[in-house]
Amino acid sequence: DQQVKQNSPSLSVQEGRISILNCDYTNSMFDYFLWYKKYPAEGPTFLISISSIKDKNEDGRFTVFLNKSAKHLSLHIVPSQPGDSAVYFCAATSWSGGSNYKLTFGKGTLLTVNP
Amino acid sequence: EPEVTQTPSHQVTQMGQEVILRCVPISNHLYFYWYRQILGQKVEFLVSFYNNEISEKSEIFDDQFSVERPDGSNFTLKIRSTKLEDSAMYFCASRGTGGVTEAFFGQGTRLTVV
Repeated sequence: DQQVKQNSPSLSVQEGRISILNCDYTNSMFDYFLWYKKYPAEGPTFLISISSIKDKNEDGRFTVFLNKSAKHLSLHIVPSQPGDSAVYFCAATSWSGGSNYKLTFGKGTLLTVNP
Repeated sequence: EPEVTQTPSHQVTQMGQEVILRCVPISNHLYFYWYRQILGQKVEFLVSFYNNEISEKSEIFDDQFSVERPDGSNFTLKIRSTKLEDSAMYFCASRGTGGVTEAFFGQGTRLTVV
């Protein structure tokens, strides 16, 4: 039951170029989406999020785009830096306004930024 | 910067033994979670906890699992009788109030059941 799918297990880009990580979801009830970055032997670190009422959210080098009709979101990193090399997880939740906030994760995409 | 702290970082236990994984959430957070990641698989939700009770739990969170906030700062996950398939990375997370916000994760406890 893959409600959140990251179809690319890995992505390799050159330093300074754009990294685009993609995520698809199937559950129409999801209304809040997050991207986490994870280094080996560490926990997921929050990067950026977007509510379903928006189609874009930007924070520095990171921008998340949401296409609700296609049930698709993407994370753009510009410019990519070697320190961005990590596994990136897409996560989604159906936020009911209270304590129920169960994140459903994708399998992750390993981003490698080459110097 | 405030962070979620988990101990131990690595726990090895014999099958059938009880283990307790400990977490100290961010101090002003009120929502607490446990997730796990079996090697090579997705991060999976186990349980959410608010106001001293479980809010939601997954199918994975059966009678062998329990959570507790014993002293107002720690948040623990207990597995009563560990199985080989419980071997995984266990992540604690906490979240603040004031609308929809992100969850902050600890660095994880690697549980190895032998």
